[in-house]
This record gives sequence, C-alpha cells and structure tokens, in this order.
Amino acid sequence: SAVISQKPSRDICQRGTSLTIQCQVDSQVTMMFWYRQQPGQSLTLIATANQGSEATYESGFVIDKFPISRPNLTFSTLTVSNMSPEDSSIYLCSAGVGAHEKLFFGSGTQLSVL
Amino acid sequence: SQKIEQNSEALNIQEGKTATLTCNYTNYSPAYLQWYRQDPGRGPVFLLLIRENEKEKRKERLKVTFDTTLKQSLFHITASQPADSATYLCAPGGQTGANNLFFGTGTRLTVIP
Repeated sequence: SAVISQKPSRDICQRGTSLTIQCQVDSQVTMMFWYRQQPGQSLTLIATANQGSEATYESGFVIDKFPISRPNLTFSTLTVSNMSPEDSSIYLCSAGVGAHEKLFFGSGTQLSVL
Repeated sequence: SQKIEQNSEALNIQEGKTATLTCNYTNYSPAYLQWYRQDPGRGPVFLLLIRENEKEKRKERLKVTFDTTLKQSLFHITASQPADSATYLCAPGGQTGANNLFFGTGTRLTVIP
C-alpha cells in the first residue's frame, strides 16, 4: 500500500496567480497521476507524471497551464497557472503501486479562484 | 471516444437490502475493471479489481461481475448498512497496456436506516 500526503488541502487564490500543489508518497512508486474533480463530478485525468521525463497530458490539458514536476520516485508537483474561476476544483494526486493497477489517492486540494 | 457511464447518479436503498450499481463502457477494451469508494472530502479508496477473464469476484459483502461482451460490470453490496453510504466509482483499465485509469461518472449510494 501507499500513503499519499498532499498539500495544501485547500486554498483560495486570486485570478491570474498560480498555485503549486505538492504530493509526497511514503514509498517509491513508478507511476503518479494528477486528477481534477469538479463539484459533483467524477475524476478527470489531467496527466501522468513520469519520473525523469516530461509528463504525459490528456486531451484538453496542456503543459503551459498545468506544469508538472517529478524529480524523484516519491514526489510530484502540479502547478495551476494563470488561474481563472473555471479552475476552481478539487485536484487529486494518485500513485500506482505494485503492478500499477491499483491506485492510492491523496485527500485532494480544494482550490477556489476568485 | 471512450465513455464510462454508471447507471444512476444517486441510489437510495433500505438498510439490509442489496445495492446493485452498474458500470457500462464503450469504445474500450479494458484488461481489468476496478471499483472505488469515495467519501465526501476524501480521495477515492480502492475496493476491488476484476480481470477480463474473471466472471465474478467477491470480498466480504461486496461482489463484482464483469461481462466483456455486454461491456458492463455490476457491483453489489449485500446486507447494506448506513456506513456503506458513499459515492462509488468504476474504472476500466489496462487498455493497450496503459496504466492510467479513467473513472466513470459515479453513483452516490445512500443506505437508509
């Protein structure tokens, strides 16, 4: 199993600013993923954070808006850049353990953009 | 494009009854399908995984079936309890060897005492 610590747990930001969300795993994992969950909705995959190479983004998400770092096997960050109210959402970090099939999730970062 | 739909947004059942949740997918050939539970303000928690060559999987009061012909999975909670109230998410995965997971729309289950 894996324990994932995510911070901040919540933040209120001004339009046009950026926020970096940190995700720490208590063990080395190969795969890490970032999801967004808008109010009352399911999870949408933003990108796969690859250690040692650029993140792989899903359709509708771009690196300029959501830059991701993965400096080692236990840590990743997601930045939400040049925020607008449409970016208000919960952002979740997850990690695949073992055969990567089962995902463990952090508790999420609730972001509100004014 | 891929589509993962769960039968209803919300399901209310009486305590002690069996809850049945449905997950349908299209334009997808998953090697396995997972079910997660999500409580308010928390990240999803893994419950069960069933592979394409398995018809049924059980874990305590939970049972999952997987029909690759119908492109459907059923998730059952028997002898339901108020503590089972949560949102349940399905996630087909392993297509073309990819490890990333896409989640269904979710069903919010409420078990009424």
